[in-house]
Amino acid sequence: QVTLKESGPGILQPSQTLSLTCTFSGFSLSTYGMGVGWIRQPSGKGLEWLANIWWDDDKYYNPSLKNRLTISKDTSNNQAFLKITNVDTADTATYYCARIYLGALFDYWGQGVMVTVSS
Amino acid sequence: QITLTQQAESLWISPGERVSITCRASQSLLYTDGKHYLSWYQQRPGQTTKALIYHASVRTDGVPTRFIGSGSGTEFTLSIEHVQPEDFAIYYCLQTLKSPLTFGSGTKLEIK
Repeated sequence: QVTLKESGPGILQPSQTLSLTCTFSGFSLSTYGMGVGWIRQPSGKGLEWLANIWWDDDKYYNPSLKNRLTISKDTSNNQAFLKITNVDTADTATYYCARIYLGALFDYWGQGVMVTVSS
Repeated sequence: QITLTQQAESLWISPGERVSITCRASQSLLYTDGKHYLSWYQQRPGQTTKALIYHASVRTDGVPTRFIGSGSGTEFTLSIEHVQPEDFAIYYCLQTLKSPLTFGSGTKLEIK
């Protein structure tokens, strides 16, 4: 059974760095073809893709976030991470991680973690 | 980047009816492997986001057969036959052909 769960700080101040963790089970990020992605959703708005990381450590980022993103993984502990530097109020959102299947879809999603950026 | 347009922000229908949700891409989503990299997702309050369809027309495991994905090139449709009460939700399309991955803006299915 595939599960994913996100964790994060809850609230942080503008200009700080947001660190998110995705802890998953039921698959391994060392398996050929596997990937994990991060997606976010401001309250009442749509979904925005942020970044993907693959089994071979290949990484893809949304250029709209202008080099503020860093995605990484810890295969031994079944975790993926996302850092967003220099946050501001526009980064307030629910952040999701999801497994990528066949490079075609996010087939399993976490429940999401709410992050608020406020001074 | 590829833009996905879901023109209908909301659709009002009655349970038991059939509904179609459209998603238009700014360029073809057909890859050299012959597959379209377009998928559909359902969001309901308090539930995890659920993948319904990938490669434009393949249902994911456990998705009821009343959910039908169709389309090719740049025009795609998610149809739901005999809409059930649990189907009233927000539906998003996603293209995974090219980075950056992009979502449609979502279509909310509402009870008439």
